[in-house]
Amino acid sequence: GAGVSQSPRYKVTKRGQDVALRCDPISGHVSLYWYRQALGQGPEFLTYFNYEAQQDKSGLPNDRFSAERPEGSISTLTIQRTEQRDSAMYRCASSARGAGRSAGELFFGEGSRLTVL
Amino acid sequence: AQSVSQHNHHVILSEAASLELGCNYSYGGTVNLFWYVQYPGQHLQLLLKYFSGDPLVKGIKGFEAEFIKSKFSFNLRKPSVQWSDTAEYFCAVKSIGGSQGNLIFGKGTKLSVKP
Repeated sequence: GAGVSQSPRYKVTKRGQDVALRCDPISGHVSLYWYRQALGQGPEFLTYFNYEAQQDKSGLPNDRFSAERPEGSISTLTIQRTEQRDSAMYRCASSARGAGRSAGELFFGEGSRLTVL
Repeated sequence: AQSVSQHNHHVILSEAASLELGCNYSYGGTVNLFWYVQYPGQHLQLLLKYFSGDPLVKGIKGFEAEFIKSKFSFNLRKPSVQWSDTAEYFCAVKSIGGSQGNLIFGKGTKLSVKP
């Protein structure tokens, strides 16, 4: 696609429900990143992929959070048993170059705003 | 662990004033440095980046940034701001050659330009 596409743009859920956030990167981009941004804070790294391989998941807060990119394109970030503290903007970005080498530009999507009641 | 510090949380300027936003990072090795901007209601966009070479980097819309290795700094500047520069600005650092490939962001500086 022309840009990074994220869905849903807005998600309101009740505490304890599972949510899945989707990211469709720019076609052909090698690397895909997930960030979380709380109000008044900068984007906080969660995890990233090179192709379908998850390279670093050190930023995932706990085991309720998981991500996959099975075919090296679209990625899903899943949050199980959501809690109110999970409320944030979840941002996806993709890059044309491998993340292990000198970085290319990260292109960000519009984000998915999650509200957990 | 790497960290990025942005000194100012909120900066308010009048049009035509000069701008300097501070950014310091903690990492002793080779880094790539970035400034991203988020205009109201829009997604994060790259303003400029430094990989190597001339430490003075010029970006879009008249912005520039200077990498001072000895100070671990990458401050953003613009000689004369416009109302349309009202946005939030994020400094980001990526370490090269280490085990981490992720991009670490600062907390951001909100810039408000009064017409």
